[in-house]
Amino acid sequence: QKEVEQDPGPLSVPEGAIVSLNCTYSNSAFQYFMWYRQYSRKGPELLMYTYSSGNKEDGRFTAQVDKSSKYISLFIRDSQPSDSATYLCAMSANTGGFKTIFGAGTRLFVKA
Amino acid sequence: DTGVSQNPRHKITKRGQNVTFRCDPISEHNRLYWYRQTLGQGPEFLTYFQNEAQLEKSRLLSDRFSAERPKGSFSTLEIQRTEQGDSAMYLCASTRMGLAGGEQFFGPGTRLTVL
Repeated sequence: QKEVEQDPGPLSVPEGAIVSLNCTYSNSAFQYFMWYRQYSRKGPELLMYTYSSGNKEDGRFTAQVDKSSKYISLFIRDSQPSDSATYLCAMSANTGGFKTIFGAGTRLFVKA
Repeated sequence: DTGVSQNPRHKITKRGQNVTFRCDPISEHNRLYWYRQTLGQGPEFLTYFQNEAQLEKSRLLSDRFSAERPKGSFSTLEIQRTEQGDSAMYLCASTRMGLAGGEQFFGPGTRLTVL
């Protein structure tokens, strides 16, 4: 079993839809939870960062962490075609230099 | 541009050849990470440095792989006797101590193709 599970999709939605992306994990030591966006043939770009449980909002993006369920989510409101990318969840613990474990990524397509 | 840079961006080589990649992190970042990413997968941790010290290596890093960060600034990743299974995107990331959770900033990657 992988430490971090993420549905690879693809997920296709119409422009303006609310997108929900999710990951589950098994290591209870994880404390830091990130979402990265990766466009084709580019490096990952840090999108959202959350410490421990709770919600964080930044513009159209909301990240949620439920440590009791070992489940994290990213919501995208009013999705745009420019949001079409692969979204990677990632997490790390306060040990080992914050070695980060990534999910496989979910490919998102937002249709105009 | 003060982001993480990687060179070359693309490398095509024949099986058995040696290749070396370079990463220049963000200047004030003292931690540097190498990851490998294959198609349809997330990045997999290979190794990381704090300043010039290599503090952890993944089991993925066979003895054909070596990484250095001689002066605590740029880093190199060398693969000796390349195999077709080494074909992947090699990503470098950096962060600095004190950034909560070690938020890592990635470079554009070096795409390696082994023929």
